Amino acid sequence: DSGVTQTPKHLITATGQRVTLRCSPRSGDLSVYWYQQSLDQGLQFLIQYYNGEERAKGNILERFSAQQFPDLHSELNLSSLELGDSALYFCASSAGSNEQFFGPGTRLTVL
Amino acid sequence: SQQGEEDPQALSIQEGENATMNCSYKTSINNLQWYRQNSGRGLVHLILIRSNEREKHSGRLRVTLDTSKKSSSLLITASRAADTASYFCATAPWGETSGSRLTFGEGTQLTVNP
Repeated sequence: DSGVTQTPKHLITATGQRVTLRCSPRSGDLSVYWYQQSLDQGLQFLIQYYNGEERAKGNILERFSAQQFPDLHSELNLSSLELGDSALYFCASSAGSNEQFFGPGTRLTVL
Repeated sequence: SQQGEEDPQALSIQEGENATMNCSYKTSINNLQWYRQNSGRGLVHLILIRSNEREKHSGRLRVTLDTSKKSSSLLITASRAADTASYFCATAPWGETSGSRLTFGEGTQLTVNP
């Protein structure tokens, strides 16, 4: 158990819909990262938050957004969903420039 | 795009043998991390090696880093069936101290046959 929790574990929805994925980092970790894992793209960095502020952006679509709240949990919002958004979405957290610890992931299926 | 390239893409060995996986990357790094992923599940952090380190050990794992060649290797000794998983290397770029994005390789699928 990494100490990072993600909900829900599975999500099945339809094209055009909007979903919210939730992540709670390890106690004391200020950085939260979101990654997407798909068969064709592999593991891709989406976005990082550090103590409530956006720190870095990767291959994140404009239809996707995220935020980190004062209690340091984070949410990833995916809207206008397309079939190609089906993937595993991971959240990770870290303390400084150290190891990133990953949550169990949310498997999103868009039908 | 993936910075890291891992070699081999797939490796099948017998229990008790050693498994070596290689990773190459393109840009200057702060550190390199190795992760394990069992089929469709979360990533488990195995080991981190910093850019000023050349070798690191953790249990049956040995990681080397050659920054001049921009490459790393992960050696798993005395492998077990439970080591069957995908192994990924991931690099953190140089210069970021408050955490940074990881760029993952494509992974090596290791199968350890009992």
